[in-house]
Amino acid sequence: EDQVTQSPEALRLQEGESSSLNCSYTVSGLRGLFWYRQDPGKGPEFLFTLYSAGEEKEKERLKATLTKKESFLHITAPKPEDSATYLCAVHPEAGGFKTIFGAGTRLFVKA
Amino acid sequence: KAGVTQTPRYLIKTRGQQVTLSCSPISGHRSVSWYQQTPGQGLQFLFEYFSETQRNKGNFPGRFSGRQFSNSRSEMNVSTLELGDSALYLCASSLGRVMDSPLHFGNGTRLTVT
Repeated sequence: EDQVTQSPEALRLQEGESSSLNCSYTVSGLRGLFWYRQDPGKGPEFLFTLYSAGEEKEKERLKATLTKKESFLHITAPKPEDSATYLCAVHPEAGGFKTIFGAGTRLFVKA
Repeated sequence: KAGVTQTPRYLIKTRGQQVTLSCSPISGHRSVSWYQQTPGQGLQFLFEYFSETQRNKGNFPGRFSGRQFSNSRSEMNVSTLELGDSALYLCASSLGRVMDSPLHFGNGTRLTVT
């Protein structure tokens, strides 16, 4: 069964304290791995798509990387405005037009 | 460019009633997906439509149904509401021509069943 597991469930950082979020996945075949950010009361906002192992994408303080079994979202020198829930999702080859989401990591950045 | 619009933003219904939620996708997007989000289960896929055809369906009972119109707008219907249907219902649109198109979400409809 296709599955996405994110860790940790919650992460508390001081402003400027870099860290990483993990997304491990089990799928029949990967067509794409996505990272989204969700703020309270809003829908998820697309951040990155990764397609193959070794690929990296960057946006401001965020960098996403992909291996054959997992993806990492690295947050460098975070600011309070980076506080949000970060969702990882996969598009399996055999899943048709369906995206499978992990439960998310809630990130809190304190000034 | 206008984003995905969902209406209404909040709904309160009684158990046994039915409800219809509406979604207007980004202009030019022909794929619309629906998700249920709850604290315990996270984002669960309901169904996906492209050019008025349902291409995929999640593991939800038949009380959950949807449709897509020729202008790509979509509606979702839940009949015989149960307390467990209380959730945030999210609609997402994408270009949809390839399986790995990123999703663009609306801000959801918060449904409370009492």
